[in-house]
Amino acid sequence: DPKIIQKPKYLVAVTGSEKILICEQYLGHNAMYWYRQSAKKPLEFMFSYSYQKLMDNQTASSRFQPQSSKKNHLDLQITALKPDDSATYFCASSQQGGQETLYFGSGTRLTVL
Amino acid sequence: QQKVQQSPESLIVPEGGMASLNCTSSDRNVDYFWWYRQHSGKSPKMLMSIFSNGEKEEGRFTVHLNKASLHTSLHIRDSQPSDSALYLCAASMTGNTRKLIFGLGTTLQVQP
Repeated sequence: DPKIIQKPKYLVAVTGSEKILICEQYLGHNAMYWYRQSAKKPLEFMFSYSYQKLMDNQTASSRFQPQSSKKNHLDLQITALKPDDSATYFCASSQQGGQETLYFGSGTRLTVL
Repeated sequence: QQKVQQSPESLIVPEGGMASLNCTSSDRNVDYFWWYRQHSGKSPKMLMSIFSNGEKEEGRFTVHLNKASLHTSLHIRDSQPSDSALYLCAASMTGNTRKLIFGLGTTLQVQP
């Protein structure tokens, strides 16, 4: 029974379009994150939220916008999609946002054509 | 240069053998290390963490940390085919505990 739900599991988009990746966690955690995993690259930190506030933004491009409508939700809106955005996007959460274990969702695999 | 370097890139060990994986940070601001395991097509799951110099053992898994050299290692004894996976080392830096920096990983294959 997954505690961090990511939707959709697979997503195919055309260059220039916009997509929203959904993440909900049912672990009762207060901190949520987005990471990206591309071929030949390390798992890369993108954003961190704590109590629905943006704490860290490591993404240079404003095309990536996290959205937190509820404490246990952190969606990721990506605009003007490029083929380089193709990757698996993992949502994660932790208890408070400190030196704690990260729990990852199952990921959304995005392919941009 | 990657802030977290892992070696070897890939490793094959026989079932029942010992697997040894290494991880070093080039950034002296590293505070803590974690090891995550990612089976093919799955999400990473935390395996072990180590924050202090020395050794920590949990079942078949042992981690070592040398903070002076910013080097950690993971040892898996009595390796099983189910241990075949990508092993990711991650570090957090002083002043920002929320962000983990991952290495490229070591792909371990345990041959029956």
